[in-house]
Amino acid sequence: NAGVTQTPKFQVLKTGQSMTLQCAQDMNHEYMSWYRQDPGMGLRLIHYSVGAGITDQGEVPNGYNVSRSTTEDFPLRLLSAAPSQTSVYFCASGPYGPTGELFFGEGSRLTVL
Amino acid sequence: AQSVTQPDIHITVSEGASLELRCNYSYGATPYLFWYVQSPGQGLQLLLKYFSGDTLVQGIKGFEAEFKRSQSSFNLRKPSVHWSDAAEYFCAVALYSGGGADGLTFGKGTHLIIQP
Repeated sequence: NAGVTQTPKFQVLKTGQSMTLQCAQDMNHEYMSWYRQDPGMGLRLIHYSVGAGITDQGEVPNGYNVSRSTTEDFPLRLLSAAPSQTSVYFCASGPYGPTGELFFGEGSRLTVL
Repeated sequence: AQSVTQPDIHITVSEGASLELRCNYSYGATPYLFWYVQSPGQGLQLLLKYFSGDTLVQGIKGFEAEFKRSQSSFNLRKPSVHWSDAAEYFCAVALYSGGGADGLTFGKGTHLIIQP
């Protein structure tokens, strides 16, 4: 089992560019989520989904879009990147939502110049 | 709103010594509480969780945590640390904005350094 796979692992963008961070899981989890990790800030919830076709906002959703067309995939889109979005992004999934164990990807490090 | 405080940013412990990492939470009801560990360059892995029942919870890798409602604490302990325990440790509480839980609210993390 691959678990939770994130691509790319590293990306450098210029301000105003758009990109998509990919997240795929092969564990048939209904719940998926995106977090960003900044130095000294811990992880903060961006968006989450409780199943295909259902998404909702977390604590810091501004500047990010998500969609969930399949159970396996939960991409995170940056429509117009800003330097404040420089961060490490983690995708996590779980069979019982956030009150159960979450399985995290290895992260995607994004730098916006 | 829920919040988590980890008062120690860095902790240095000698190999073989005991360890305690502190975590305090703010939440009105009984929370779902978690400890996750992050090794360098890796994602997070669940060590243990608590919601109800026995207030002393056993986890993986020899870790345990004790829930103390009166102190709003959920401290992580290990009787004897190994060099492989060097990592970042995060305490977390389930985050609710309305009905069910949305995600987790994490503390800022404690960086554990193991001295030989």
